[in-house]
Amino acid sequence: SQQGEEDPQALSIQEGENATMNCSYKTSINNLQWYRQNSGRGLVHLILIRSNEREKHSGRLRVTLDTSKKSSSLLITASRAADTASYFCATPNFGNEKLTFGTGTRLTIIP
Amino acid sequence: NAGVTQTPKFQVLKTGQSMTLQCAQDMNHNSMYWYRQDPGMGLRLIYYSASEGTTDKGEVPNGYNVSRLNKREFSLRLESAAPSQTSVYFCASNRGGISYEQYFGPGTRLTVT
Repeated sequence: SQQGEEDPQALSIQEGENATMNCSYKTSINNLQWYRQNSGRGLVHLILIRSNEREKHSGRLRVTLDTSKKSSSLLITASRAADTASYFCATPNFGNEKLTFGTGTRLTIIP
Repeated sequence: NAGVTQTPKFQVLKTGQSMTLQCAQDMNHNSMYWYRQDPGMGLRLIYYSASEGTTDKGEVPNGYNVSRLNKREFSLRLESAAPSQTSVYFCASNRGGISYEQYFGPGTRLTVT
């Protein structure tokens, strides 16, 4: 099944540093979404980038999309302890109208 | 606005027992979804409802049933719980379809012994 695969699976950085995580997918999409999940909580939508967009910003988040490589990246700049969470990419599957989530990148910010 | 609410937050069942997980949204969304989340597996779609009155199977529907009671509410029922259904269950909603962001509830942590 089509699935976004995040890389790395886990990432630990010092507070203030930038964090980059990547997502690869398998088939054509019209959008890609990133979500955050704090421990023990539900997912929170961060940003949606459409296939005709190459880059999108939201606060300290920057998302890129390369449809030729079927990949996306999420950059969090000037990380904070509160950014500690798991991050998931999600891609639509138009064959069955479902949104497929990857297994996530677990980000730990060290104070 | 409360967003997406789920009840209960925690539940322990014995094998063979039944229960219903409740979900409600107050955002006037057309579509609603039930997912389960297991370690290392990501989120997997159980059932979804594209609009009031319709439901469709997702990736892992076996052992579950759903009811879209009205536009606000979407319930998930386990008729005869099994240990393999131990998981965290999330309800989500959106305005309609996979081209829009989804809004998630806080989850129900279910243990089946």
